[in-house]
Amino acid sequence: DIQMTQSPSSLSASVGDRVTIACRASQDIINSLAWYQQKPGKAPRLLLYAASRLESGVPSRFSGGGSGTEYTLTISSLQPEDFATYYCQQSYGTPPTFGQGTKLEIK
Amino acid sequence: QVQLQQWGAGRLKPSETLSLTCAVYGGSLSGYHWIWIRQSPGKGLEWIGESTPQSGSINYTPSLKSRVTISLDTSKTQFSLNLKSVTAADTAVYFCARSGVGAAYGMDVWGQGTTVTVSS
Repeated sequence: DIQMTQSPSSLSASVGDRVTIACRASQDIINSLAWYQQKPGKAPRLLLYAASRLESGVPSRFSGGGSGTEYTLTISSLQPEDFATYYCQQSYGTPPTFGQGTKLEIK
Repeated sequence: QVQLQQWGAGRLKPSETLSLTCAVYGGSLSGYHWIWIRQSPGKGLEWIGESTPQSGSINYTPSLKSRVTISLDTSKTQFSLNLKSVTAADTAVYFCARSGVGAAYGMDVWGQGTTVTVSS
């Protein structure tokens, strides 16, 4: 299985901050990467797919980048509703695998 | 706007079979992967398997392949998960989801989740 490693595991930030979450794959996943946001008691919500394509309805303050084995999710200006847990997921290999999550908390 | 609604038994005893169903509202099964995922504190998010009606293919994660079955009912626009011989390690929140066909797509529609607890 392709291993996905996110960093950091948790992050404290303030409203208005710019934050970046990293995701590393154990092999090249050819941009087959999605990012999700999950709030307690809810299903994950797709934010980006194909590493950098914004899902319909997702605010433009979310952006994704990277290639090969290294990818990032950036939130340009944190809003109160952005405090949640974020996951990356690769769909290049079978089975698809997820990172362990990054919990974004209010400072 | 496609929506997924899932249901099934939430409490099981060891060795029983977990059965969950996910209904697709506002769309058809054609043209997508239909997926089951589970989430537990110990193992995080785990992809269980998927069924693709257009190709007829069904794929399972290797660690569960001997115990799991995913099936589609196109007449009812539903798909189901059966996991036999459950143990406490199968305790998790189970989600159904949809993704586009192709490696570049993410899971864009999710069910609400079903908490399954396995305990004697």
